[in-house]
Amino acid sequence: NAGVTQTPKFQVLKTGQSMTLQCAQDMNHEYMSWYRQDPGMGLRLIHYSVGAGITDQGEVPNGYNVSRSTTEDFPLRLLSAAPSQTSVYFCASSLRSGNTEAFFGQGTRLTVV
Amino acid sequence: AQSVTQLDSQVPVFEEAPVELRCNYSSSVSVYLFWYVQYPNQGLQLLLKYLSGSTLVESINGFEAEFNKSQTSFHLRKPSVHISDTAEYFCAVSEGGDSSYKLIFGSGTRLLVRP
Repeated sequence: NAGVTQTPKFQVLKTGQSMTLQCAQDMNHEYMSWYRQDPGMGLRLIHYSVGAGITDQGEVPNGYNVSRSTTEDFPLRLLSAAPSQTSVYFCASSLRSGNTEAFFGQGTRLTVV
Repeated sequence: AQSVTQLDSQVPVFEEAPVELRCNYSSSVSVYLFWYVQYPNQGLQLLLKYLSGSTLVESINGFEAEFNKSQTSFHLRKPSVHISDTAEYFCAVSEGGDSSYKLIFGSGTRLLVRP
């Protein structure tokens, strides 16, 4: 049981480039989410999904796009990378209700130069 | 809107000393409360949670937290810390019911245990 898998673990982008951060879970969780972690700011919610075909914006959605075509996968797209998007990104999944323990991936450390 | 405040960004403590990491939340509805731990270069792991019932909840590695509704607090305590407890700790809140999956995190407290 792999849990939540994120790729890549590290990435360096030039300003203006685009890329996709991958996230996959094998626990059949309905809910998936993306957070960014910045020093002193905790984790801030970027986008989330409560099931295949359903996505919504979180606290800091600008500059990011998501889609959820399957239960397992929830990729995060950076449309045109900016230095302000330098951060550590975490994907998480959980059941939608009841025992809603969130399971996190190992994170992707992104640097935009 | 919900929010979570962790007043201490860093807490240094000597090994075998007690520690308390503070967490206060604001919400107009019933909440679920969580503490997550992040070891260096890793993702977050659930440490303990309060959903309902007994207001005192415990983890398997000796941490405990008490839900205090009147003070809107969920402080994390351990009577005797180990070097291996060095990590960043995040308090989180979610609404119950249909929105219980949506977590709001505090800014984190870095626990630094010294020998």
